[in-house]
Amino acid sequence: DAGVTQSPTHLIKTRGQQVTLRCSPKSGHDTVSWYQQALGQGPQFIFQYYEEEERQRGNFPDRFSGHQFPNYSSELNVNALLLGDSALYLCASSLGARWKLFFGSGTQLSVL
Amino acid sequence: GIQVEQSPPDLILQEGANSTLRCNFSDSVNNLQWFHQNPWGQLINLFYIPSGTKQNGRLSATTVATERYSLLYISSSQTTDSGVYFCAVDRNNAGNMLTFGGGTRLMVKP
Repeated sequence: DAGVTQSPTHLIKTRGQQVTLRCSPKSGHDTVSWYQQALGQGPQFIFQYYEEEERQRGNFPDRFSGHQFPNYSSELNVNALLLGDSALYLCASSLGARWKLFFGSGTQLSVL
Repeated sequence: GIQVEQSPPDLILQEGANSTLRCNFSDSVNNLQWFHQNPWGQLINLFYIPSGTKQNGRLSATTVATERYSLLYISSSQTTDSGVYFCAVDRNNAGNMLTFGGGTRLMVKP
């Protein structure tokens, strides 16, 4: 049973560029959430997708957008990258919106 | 928003020792989960425990929702228990919009 998978594992971009991160949820899960984790801090909620719609959003600018596909996989897009966007981006899935959350290994994004 | 405070921030143990990690939160919650982030960055869900007590092997957790705190107990610690332990909460009914605490960094020495 595959867990939550994310790609790529590492990514280097320059300021102003755009990036797309990908996530496949754990088998049987229908809800995907994205979190940003800066070095030395706890993860921060970006948004959550269920039934292909953004259901909840944290305190992140519109430069952060996402999508969920019919197979429940998801993408996170970040436009106009800033140095401060450098972080570990974590995808998490759950069965339904309120139950135990399972995380992927993350994508380490470095913005130069 | 809701505030989540974890203590202690850092903990060093000798292998075999027991420990208690604490999580205080500022408002009532419908969802509380404990996670372990290993040295490679992987977050592992330990417990979904908005109230009551649960046990899983050497780990157990208790949440006293009315007093707004949760405790994570680690018994007979092993070097593989090293890493950062996070408590995360959600106060609304809409879903897993978790607010994480700052974490407790645990190092278990052989």
